[in-house]
Amino acid sequence: GNSVTQMEGPVTLSEEAFLTINCTYTATGYPSLFWYVQYPGEGLQLLLKATKADDKGSNKGFEATYRKETTSFHLEKGSVQVSDSAVYFCALPGSGNTGKLIFGQGTTLQVKP
Amino acid sequence: DTGVSQDPRHKITKRGQNVTFRCDPISEHNRLYWYRQTLGQGPEFLTYFQNEAQLEKSRLLSDRFSAERPKGSFSTLEIQRTEQGDSAMYLCASSQSNTYEQYFGPGTRLTVT
Repeated sequence: GNSVTQMEGPVTLSEEAFLTINCTYTATGYPSLFWYVQYPGEGLQLLLKATKADDKGSNKGFEATYRKETTSFHLEKGSVQVSDSAVYFCALPGSGNTGKLIFGQGTTLQVKP
Repeated sequence: DTGVSQDPRHKITKRGQNVTFRCDPISEHNRLYWYRQTLGQGPEFLTYFQNEAQLEKSRLLSDRFSAERPKGSFSTLEIQRTEQGDSAMYLCASSQSNTYEQYFGPGTRLTVT
């Protein structure tokens, strides 16, 4: 079935540093890909998505490009802020047509002032 | 649009007791999902409904777990004879049927003592 692998955390950066969180996937076909973010004490929020190969999703300064050649969907941000400190999850639909999402284990980002 | 709501936000119970959680999805969404999230892990799919029909259940969902969505609106998740291993965050999400884009509630944190 479909699966996703994220880089281990935590990732600790200084404010204004460049962020990359790696995500690779295994899937049948070319499913939509998602990044969700979970701030402390809150539920998951959709951060960005890409629905087909070579698409770039973007939101709040974050970007991710759907690369079918490397089966990757890495999350990037040029200049992180303390308020970006959160757990980031890469996700894709499960096999079949249920709509359920398969999540990576999450990557914790800590941004220090 | 008030978003997905869940009640209660926190539940502490003793082993062997039954608990019930409620989820109210976004009103125009006909798909509703339940996930479980343990510390340091991504959400794991439990079950989902399209309108009032429960269309898939994960193998994670033992026979102590039951979910309903009687009128295709809110849903309840009941855990009977709780065990310490049931301690987790229970997340509800909703979506329209033509998209994989899911919107999550804040979750119910269950602690079984």
